[in-house]
Amino acid sequence: DAGVIQSPRHEVTEMGQEVTLRCKPISGHNSLFWYRQTMMRGLELLIYFNNNVPIDDSGMPEDRFSAKMPNASFSTLKIQPSEPRDSAVYFCASVAGLSNEKLFFGSGTQLSVL
Amino acid sequence: EDQVTQSPEALRLQEGESSSLNCSYTVSGLRGLFWYRQDPGKGPEFLFTLYSAGEEKEKERLKATLTKKESFLHITAPKPEDSATYLCAVQEVNNAGNMLTFGGGTRLMVKP
Repeated sequence: DAGVIQSPRHEVTEMGQEVTLRCKPISGHNSLFWYRQTMMRGLELLIYFNNNVPIDDSGMPEDRFSAKMPNASFSTLKIQPSEPRDSAVYFCASVAGLSNEKLFFGSGTQLSVL
Repeated sequence: EDQVTQSPEALRLQEGESSSLNCSYTVSGLRGLFWYRQDPGKGPEFLFTLYSAGEEKEKERLKATLTKKESFLHITAPKPEDSATYLCAVQEVNNAGNMLTFGGGTRLMVKP
């Protein structure tokens, strides 16, 4: 298995532009997570899907952020409009099962908003 | 609200110099405590899960232990390839599914 696949690996954009991050979870995994990692705040959970349905989006910072999971093999995280404070590494992770299972993380997308 | 605090923030060791990393947590009910390793430019990679106080798990030079308030990651005779950031995370019984709350991590540097 190729693991969790994220694209792009790096994204540089200007303030105000729309940014779309993509994730392909491991086949057969039914839960998907989006995390954001910064030096100041560490790893923060943004949103969690189970069976393609958003279960908890309380970590989404504001309305500029949205996430979708149209099918079991694809998810997007969109920021519109982007701001410099959104600069961070965004990770996608997937897991099989309901609880106590280990999360598999992708390699992340390094986002820089100028 | 869940609190997960890791110490120290950074640790420098000489090759072969054993030490321990600490993860203290505050949750209303612990379902599981997880340790992950993160290398630069990569996502966290799973190491261990601990479920109850007194439990221990080992993998090569690493041993994780758990009490009711904290977990330790013991590193015995570390090698330079053990250099990485070590993250702990907790899963609370009241949280849906596999939601994890992560600590800030300990950056370990092992010099040859």
